[in-house]
Amino acid sequence: SAVISQKPSRDICQRGTSLTIQCQVDSQVTMMFWYRQQPGQSLTLIATANQGSEATYESGFVIDKFPISRPNLTFSTLTVSNMSPEDSSIYLCSVLPGLALTDTQYFGPGTRLTVL
Amino acid sequence: RKEVEQDPGPFNVPEGATVAFNCTYSNSASQSFFWYRQDCRKEPKLLMSVYSSGNEDGRFTAQLNRASQYISLLIRDSKLSDSATYLCVVGGGSYIPTFGRGTSLIVHP
Repeated sequence: SAVISQKPSRDICQRGTSLTIQCQVDSQVTMMFWYRQQPGQSLTLIATANQGSEATYESGFVIDKFPISRPNLTFSTLTVSNMSPEDSSIYLCSVLPGLALTDTQYFGPGTRLTVL
Repeated sequence: RKEVEQDPGPFNVPEGATVAFNCTYSNSASQSFFWYRQDCRKEPKLLMSVYSSGNEDGRFTAQLNRASQYISLLIRDSKLSDSATYLCVVGGGSYIPTFGRGTSLIVHP
């Protein structure tokens, strides 16, 4: 298993500003992901955070809007840039501790973002 | 067609009832199947993996039907604390697991 922490747990931000969310894992993990979950909706994968290289983004998400860093195997950040009210959502960090995509996924507690 | 589909519900049942959820998936190459539970304002947490032979954990039973490409979750003797959203997750050997929209369960006294 893996224990994941995220900071901040919540924030209220003004339109046009940026917020960086941190994800820390208690052990080295192969794969880290960033998801978004809007109210009443399921999880939407934003990107896979790759250690030492650029993140792999899903359709509809771009690096300029959601820059991601992953400097090592236990830490990643997601920045939500030039925010608008449509970015209000819960942002979740997730990891696959093992080497296989068929392994169990674990989630951080999430960051609840409100953009005014 | 969505990759993973679930009836969003809500399923509103009395305590002690038996309730079943189904989830269908479109990718026949899928290899891993899970049910996650998500409480309000919390992150998803693994409830149980779903094996080809089916598996049971207390009041919860999960089954996989590869031919029809669906998995199911059966909850017996429902408790108030079972109220949550249940997410179906399907993964493969070469692609990132896909989450269903979730099925909302409300257990009332």
